[in-house]
Amino acid sequence: QQQVKQSPQSLIVQKGGISIINCAYENTAFDYFPWYQQFPGKGPALLIAIRPDVSEKKEGRFTISFNKSAKQFSLHIMDSQPGDSATYFCAASSWGLTGANNLFFGTGTRLTVIP
Amino acid sequence: DSGVTQTPKHLITATGQRVTLRCSPRSGDLSVYWYQQSLDQGLQFLIQYYNGEERAKGNILERFSAQQFPDLHSELNLSSLELGDSALYFCASSVATQGAEAFFGQGTRLTVV
Repeated sequence: QQQVKQSPQSLIVQKGGISIINCAYENTAFDYFPWYQQFPGKGPALLIAIRPDVSEKKEGRFTISFNKSAKQFSLHIMDSQPGDSATYFCAASSWGLTGANNLFFGTGTRLTVIP
Repeated sequence: DSGVTQTPKHLITATGQRVTLRCSPRSGDLSVYWYQQSLDQGLQFLIQYYNGEERAKGNILERFSAQQFPDLHSELNLSSLELGDSALYFCASSVATQGAEAFFGQGTRLTVV
C-alpha cells in the first residue's frame, strides 16, 4: 500500500514556466514532509521540507504548499530551468513514540524542462 | 557530497549468492537508514538503526539483514539473492530528532544475474 501518492508521473515544462507536483497522504501521524531531488546516478538530495503547522514554505524558486485538512501537499518550481530536470520525490515521516523518522516516498515525478 | 559513503558503487553477482553493502554515515549522525530503489517499487524503506540498535523495520525480506557497528558504520547483508533483488540500495543518515534531514549516499547498484 502506497502511503504517499504522487502525481504526475512525468512532467514537461518550458523554460521559465511553473512546475507543479502534487502529493497526498492518509496517515495523520505524519509530521514532516520533505521533497527530494534526484539526478541520474545520484542519491536523493533534500530540496525543501515542511511541518504541518504551516501552510506554505518558500526557498528561492521552490515552494511547498500544504493543506492539512485535505492531506495534500505540493511542490511549485517557479521559473523552471533546464538544470531542474530531475526526478522529484515527495515523502513523509512520523516521529511518533519510537522516534523512528524513516521516510515513506511517493513514486516520483520525472521533470523535463525544455530550453 | 552528502558526507554519506557507500561501498561498493556497483556489484554484480549470481543468483543464490550473498553480498554485503557498506555505509559510513555523516560525522555525528547516529541514525542510519537503508532504502531500496527499484523501477517497479520506487524508494522503499528497509530498516533503521540508531546508535547500534534497530529502531524501525520496513519491507525488509527475511533474506536481508543489517547491523550498525560501534563506530556507527552499517552493513546490509543480502543472501540467497534472486533476480528481483537487483536494485539500487541507498544508505541515509541523520541525527535522530523529529524532522531531521536525512542525507543519502550515492547508492550501491546491485545486479543479480
